[in-house]
Amino acid sequence: DIQMTQSPSSLSASVGDRVSFTCRASQDISHFLAWYQQKPGKVPKLLIYAASTLQSGVPSRFSGSGSGTDFTLTISSLQPEDVATYYCQNYNSVPYTFGQGTKLEIK
Amino acid sequence: DVQVLESGGGLVQPGGSLRLSCAASGFTFSNYMLTWVRQAPGKGLEWVSTISASGGAIYYADSVKGRFTISRDNSKSALYLQMRSLRAGDTAVYYCVKDRGSGSSYGMDVWGQGTTVTVSS
Repeated sequence: DIQMTQSPSSLSASVGDRVSFTCRASQDISHFLAWYQQKPGKVPKLLIYAASTLQSGVPSRFSGSGSGTDFTLTISSLQPEDVATYYCQNYNSVPYTFGQGTKLEIK
Repeated sequence: DVQVLESGGGLVQPGGSLRLSCAASGFTFSNYMLTWVRQAPGKGLEWVSTISASGGAIYYADSVKGRFTISRDNSKSALYLQMRSLRAGDTAVYYCVKDRGSGSSYGMDVWGQGTTVTVSS
């Protein structure tokens, strides 16, 4: 099975900062990676699919990059409403494993 | 509006059974792969099971294989998860999730509000 490892597990940054999270797959998953945002007490939301394609309606400050085993989610200018836990997910092959999440907070 | 809505959660004793349902609307149900994802209290997301648009391909996480059965009724735009031999570790919010793809996954774009399953004596 493919394991997904996210780092860091938590991150604190200031409004306006550029922040990045990483996700590493234990095997090559090409570009079959999605990023989800889950705000506190809310349902997960698809942000990015195919490693770098922004889902409709997602602010352009979010971007994704990478392929193979190493992926990055970047927020170009952190906003207060971005406080959430972010999960990556492999959908190259079953099991469609999620990473353990990165919790983002505002300083 | 594209949406999915789960029902059927509740409190069940260890070893018991429960059937979750998911009603979909706002899209052509028979064209899309569907998945159950769960989230234990205070924990991350866990993929549980996926069924292709036609129902011809079904996949399970090892943690539920042999105990859970996913199915769909395209004539009713409904997804189901029959859960048997439930354990305390199955306690979670269960989400019904629509995929962007039909036979293969392309990312999960519509999530329900979730239904809570609690396994406890």
